[in-house]
Amino acid sequence: KAGVTQTPRYLIKTRGQQVTLSCSPISGHRSVSWYQQTPGQGLQFLFEYFSETQRNKGNFPGRFSGRQFSNSRSEMNVSTLELGDSALYLCASSLASGRGTDTQYFGPGTRLTVL
Amino acid sequence: AQKITQTQPGMFVQEKEAVTLDCTYDTSDPSYGLFWYKQPSSGEMIFLIYQGSYDQQNATEGRYSLNFQKARKSANLVISASQLGDSAMYFCASGGGATNKLIFGTGTLLAVQP
Repeated sequence: KAGVTQTPRYLIKTRGQQVTLSCSPISGHRSVSWYQQTPGQGLQFLFEYFSETQRNKGNFPGRFSGRQFSNSRSEMNVSTLELGDSALYLCASSLASGRGTDTQYFGPGTRLTVL
Repeated sequence: AQKITQTQPGMFVQEKEAVTLDCTYDTSDPSYGLFWYKQPSSGEMIFLIYQGSYDQQNATEGRYSLNFQKARKSANLVISASQLGDSAMYFCASGGGATNKLIFGTGTLLAVQP
């Protein structure tokens, strides 16, 4: 089975721009979660999507949004980029039990640099 | 709220020796899972091992084993026969309740020396 894929792998943007990141889960996985990783804050949960609905949301401003398509692929969008949004954005997929005991499998990440 | 504590920012180990990475957790969920992930310098998070809160036996996956002590709320990762390719950042994480949200610790940077 193919693993979780994320595109693009690297991205450079300037302040004020917006960006869209894409994630394709493992075949058969219906839940997709997004995490932000920075040196200062570590790994933080952004949101989770299941059946095209946001099921959980972390403590991030409304500039961060996402969606999930009927094939379980997910996108996240960050509008009005700030320097502090520079981070590694990781996507993870899992089966759909909705319990915290599901194993999440991560993609390679998208490294976003905001100038 | 859930919390994961990893008190070892960095560790060295000689090749072929065993090493233990510490992890303590705090959760109010009666049912929870504990996970260990490896993150090489490339950035990808690689799943290593899982322990469920109701599992009676410690989890093992090849050279990885999890020393689960529920009363002490600890879930230490043991890597046997370390290899140079084990050099990476290691994260302990927990999940619980009706959510797929994982809470991560700050990680331990492991360096395997020849």
